[in-house]
Amino acid sequence: EAGVAQSPRYKIIEKRQSVAFWCNPISGHATLYWYQQILGQGPKLLIQFQNNGVVDDSQLPKDRFSAERLKGVDSTLKIQPAKLEDSAVYLCASSHGLAGGHNNEQFFGPGTRLTVL
Amino acid sequence: KQEVTQIPAALSVPEGENLVLNCSFTDSAIYNLQWFRQDPGKGLTSLLLIQSSQREQTSGRLNASLDKSSGRSTLYIAASQPGDSATYLCAVRPGSARQLTFGSGTQLTVLP
Repeated sequence: EAGVAQSPRYKIIEKRQSVAFWCNPISGHATLYWYQQILGQGPKLLIQFQNNGVVDDSQLPKDRFSAERLKGVDSTLKIQPAKLEDSAVYLCASSHGLAGGHNNEQFFGPGTRLTVL
Repeated sequence: KQEVTQIPAALSVPEGENLVLNCSFTDSAIYNLQWFRQDPGKGLTSLLLIQSSQREQTSGRLNASLDKSSGRSTLYIAASQPGDSATYLCAVRPGSARQLTFGSGTQLTVLP
């Protein structure tokens, strides 16, 4: 089965510019997650979708970050405007069942490495 | 708030050694705990998932244990190989939330 796909793999932008990342989850997976991983740290959840609805976006900086999953499959994460501290790897993950499922294993994509200059 | 700590932050061992990576968490009310491997420039690969009712899981040369009462998990790697070099991340799904909370990882280097 195909894994989680993400694009682009790398992106370099200047501060105050905008950027968008795309994720295609594993087919049939209802739950999709976006994580931010700063160098030397573990991933931090930004937003979690259940089909096309938001389950948790409590750690998403909503003044500059937005995400959508309009048809309940692919998702995009946007940053506008970017800051230096947004330099990180943005990871997308998906899982099969309901977000609160007991043994709901997450599968991760390769990530997008963002550098903000 | 759940916090996950991994010690050591980095570890270097000669090939063939058995080694243990440690993970501790502050809230013992968890649904499950997952160990991941991350190679440079790549995403996370799930290694083992331990359910809250289990004490250990094994896959090949890897064995993960879980002691919920003490808030600890260990990942045991037998007969280490240079190909095991990577960052190993521990993550817990807390009892009161759905998302994974990650530690900062242990960067492992296995020297030929």
